[in-house]
Amino acid sequence: DAKTTQPPSMDCAEGRAANLPCNHSTISGNEYVYWYRQIHSQGPQYIIHGLKNNETNEMASLIITEDRKSSTLILPHATLRDTAVYYCIVSPSARQLTFGSGTQLTVLP
Amino acid sequence: GAGVSQTPSNKVTEKGKYVELRCDPISGHTALYWYRQSLGQGPEFLIYFQGTGAADDSGLPNDRFFAVRPEGSVSTLKIQRTERGDSAVYLCASARGGLETDTQYFGPGTRLTVL
Repeated sequence: DAKTTQPPSMDCAEGRAANLPCNHSTISGNEYVYWYRQIHSQGPQYIIHGLKNNETNEMASLIITEDRKSSTLILPHATLRDTAVYYCIVSPSARQLTFGSGTQLTVLP
Repeated sequence: GAGVSQTPSNKVTEKGKYVELRCDPISGHTALYWYRQSLGQGPEFLIYFQGTGAADDSGLPNDRFFAVRPEGSVSTLKIQRTERGDSAVYLCASARGGLETDTQYFGPGTRLTVL
């Protein structure tokens, strides 16, 4: 009973933008969209989160559709160090994170 | 500043033995979480502490698993009578704890192998 759907894998050329999609068609009005990533053999790392509006920080941008049923994480200039598993999570609270299988992003030289 | 640290980084034990895994959170963080991650899967929530008390232990799989945080800082995850199915990476995270949206900062994990 997954709350989010992500492609299992994606490739991106180094220096190009990486656009990672996430479907969350059953999202509730009080649920945020969180993105974490996990580089091999490390713990997950917070990237960004949003409720309704698009958000941007030093790592990435988060675009949430108007109906909130899907979102896209954008890494504007992907580097080899961005190769990781990216998790999209919907939750009313950062205290209740349920990780799915995520998307394995491979940045190619 | 120092991040979340976990010890040991690797633990190999035999089926039936008792193990303790330690987590040192970021100084001043009142919230602490334990997760378990099996190969190829995302982390699975086990337990959440706010201060010294377990605010949510709904993810603990059975009564062989127990966690403590007696002084509201360091936490220990204890597993009794280990089984081969307990083999996984055990992750700890901490957060400032004051807000629902406080970011969780994860440690590198302890890889537990039960032979």
